[in-house]
Amino acid sequence: DADVTQTPRNRITKTGKRIMLECSQTKGHDRMYWYRQDPGLGLQLIYYSFDVKDINKGEISDGYSVSRQAQAKFSLSLESAIPNQTALYFCASTDGTGELFFGEGSRLTVL
Amino acid sequence: AQSVTQPDIHITVSEGASLELRCNYSYGATPYLFWYVQSPGQGLQLLLKYFSGDTLVQGIKGFEAEFKRSQSSFNLRKPSVHWSDAAEYFCAVGAPGDDKIIFGKGTRLHILP
Repeated sequence: DADVTQTPRNRITKTGKRIMLECSQTKGHDRMYWYRQDPGLGLQLIYYSFDVKDINKGEISDGYSVSRQAQAKFSLSLESAIPNQTALYFCASTDGTGELFFGEGSRLTVL
Repeated sequence: AQSVTQPDIHITVSEGASLELRCNYSYGATPYLFWYVQSPGQGLQLLLKYFSGDTLVQGIKGFEAEFKRSQSSFNLRKPSVHWSDAAEYFCAVGAPGDDKIIFGKGTRLHILP
C-alpha cells in the first residue's frame, strides 16, 4: 500500500460544484502539503500544515480551503469549482527532514 | 520569501553524454535545496538534498549537485545519462525554520538514442 494515498484519483465535475480531495498518510509525519501541477508551471504550493492546529497558505490559496482532520489526514476543498482549477493535485508529507513523500496525484477536470 | 528558477524548460542530450540542469534560487540566507524527478505519469521522487556542510551532494541514480552560494545556484549533474533518465526534473527550495517548500517550473529531459 502507498504511504501517501489520495482519493479520488480522477474526477470530472462541473463549474460551481463543491469538490473535496482527500489525502491520508501512514508515515507518521506531522507536516502535510497540497500542491497543484500544471504543464509548464511546475508545482505550486496551495496550503501546508505543520500539525492539526497549524494551517498555512501557500502561493496560490485563493479558491481553495483545507482541513487537517487528524495528523494523518489533510483534505483540500474547492468550494465552487471553476475551469481554471483543472489540474493535477498532489498531496505530500514530511517529518521535517525536507524529503517530501508524494501521493500519486488526483486529476481534476472542471467543465 | 524564497523562490526558485529553472531557466531551461527542455533539455535534450544523447545517451551516454553528460548532463547539467540549472537551478537558481532567491533567499536571504542559506536555504534548504532539493532536486526531485518525476517520470511520466508518476509522482515525484527525491534525488538529493542540501541542508548544510559539503557543497557537493551525492544522490540516487548517479546524480550529484553542487551548492554555490556566490551564484545562488544548485545545479544538478550526471556524468553519463541513460535512456531511463528521461523525465521532468524539479528544483525546490525551503527556508530553515519554515515548512514552506517551493518548486521551480521544471526541466524536461529528453534522451536521444
